[in-house]
Amino acid sequence: EAQVTQNPRYLITVTGKKLTVTCSQNMNHEYMSWYRQDPGLGLRQIYYSMNVEVTDKGDVPEGYKVSRKEKRNFPLILESPSPNQTSLYFCASSLLLAGAQDTQYFGPGTRLTVL
Amino acid sequence: DQQVKQNSPSLSVQEGRISILNCDYTNSMFDYFLWYKKYPAEGPTFLISISSIKDKNEDGRFTVFLNKSAKHLSLHIVPSQPGDSAVYFCAAINAGGTSYGKLTFGQGTILTVHP
Repeated sequence: EAQVTQNPRYLITVTGKKLTVTCSQNMNHEYMSWYRQDPGLGLRQIYYSMNVEVTDKGDVPEGYKVSRKEKRNFPLILESPSPNQTSLYFCASSLLLAGAQDTQYFGPGTRLTVL
Repeated sequence: DQQVKQNSPSLSVQEGRISILNCDYTNSMFDYFLWYKKYPAEGPTFLISISSIKDKNEDGRFTVFLNKSAKHLSLHIVPSQPGDSAVYFCAAINAGGTSYGKLTFGQGTILTVHP
């Protein structure tokens, strides 16, 4: 089954404790991306990757890191989480460019709470 | 600076009637526009898209209209069904330049279809 998986689905942590949210896709997609969803703000792009070893900043990259060492995985790293990073996070992937010709497939989301 | 805006946080319609969801944008360089649907506790799923060189795209009950001069697009759902109740996000892509691959979402509109 074609899918995007994220782990963990729920996480409660404390300020400053490094964490990683994993994202994996089994569709051989080049494009992968991370978003956060906050009330009244919709989905905001954090980072995206057009292919292995190629990553770019989205609209809200501060406080986050990503890496793309393999095509299927795109982990999101919070080196020193803060309460304003409490949010619902989505990973997504698509073939080539996230354009009209290729739809993005989203993971189920990771709800992160930073105390 | 919100480049994609959905000014109606919610919309309520009767089953069988038309639902019209609106979206405005400010960046005239956007090449593609997409609509996503999101149910609670799930990731967004792609609905329909339109290229900036077109003014209409239809897929079953869903039609997207683009008015480039007004920088406005809308999603029409006819007839509306209770299963259409969800959050709808409008999104836009700039397929060229320094923002290649960057996807910008609106804040979302909660659609409720009453039986």
